[in-house]
Amino acid sequence: AQSVSQHNHHVILSEAASLELGCNYSYGGTVNLFWYVQYPGQHLQLLLKYFSGDPLVKGIKGFEAEFIKSKFSFNLRKPSVQWSDTAEYFCAVNPRNQGGKLIFGQGTELSVKP
Amino acid sequence: GAGVSQSPSNKVTEKGKDVELRCDPISGHTALYWYRQRLGQGLEFLIYFQGNSAPDKSGLPSDRFSAERTGESVSTLTIQRTQQEDSAVYLCASSRTQDRELFFGEGSRLTVL
Repeated sequence: AQSVSQHNHHVILSEAASLELGCNYSYGGTVNLFWYVQYPGQHLQLLLKYFSGDPLVKGIKGFEAEFIKSKFSFNLRKPSVQWSDTAEYFCAVNPRNQGGKLIFGQGTELSVKP
Repeated sequence: GAGVSQSPSNKVTEKGKDVELRCDPISGHTALYWYRQRLGQGLEFLIYFQGNSAPDKSGLPSDRFSAERTGESVSTLTIQRTQQEDSAVYLCASSRTQDRELFFGEGSRLTVL
């Protein structure tokens, strides 16, 4: 069965530190890739997405993600985190031959200390 | 409506009772999803509707779970003979087909005593 793995369960950083959250998926076919974020007390919202083209994708709030096909990875990065980035981050994969089915990872909780 | 609406927001029920959870998607969104999120865990895919196509039910955990959607409107998720392990937040999301960006509701928190 397809799966999405986020290796970090909880990450704690100080403000201005750089961030990289790992995401790997097990599906071998063509996929669409997403990162969603859930801020405290809010519902999930899209951070960025990759369908095709440039494997380096820019999202909102200075986030970016790089699709590395050979590694089945879609890691999320931000050069300098802020306290307001404290949230839970979810990677998600849509295998294209499965219609719109979207499979989420377990999530990574990010805590940024001011 | 402006966003995805779910009801009830909270439901406490006794083990063995049936529950129905409702989702109103964003108008014009052809795709509708149900996910389950247990405490401290990720989103578990349950079911996906796309227009008038047969739904993808591959994530439903048992035959106690079922969902319906009429056309491109409201969906209900029904859990029969609830068990304590069904306690979770049930999230609904909708999207336009092409861009697959999911818009989530606030969720329905189910507690089975």
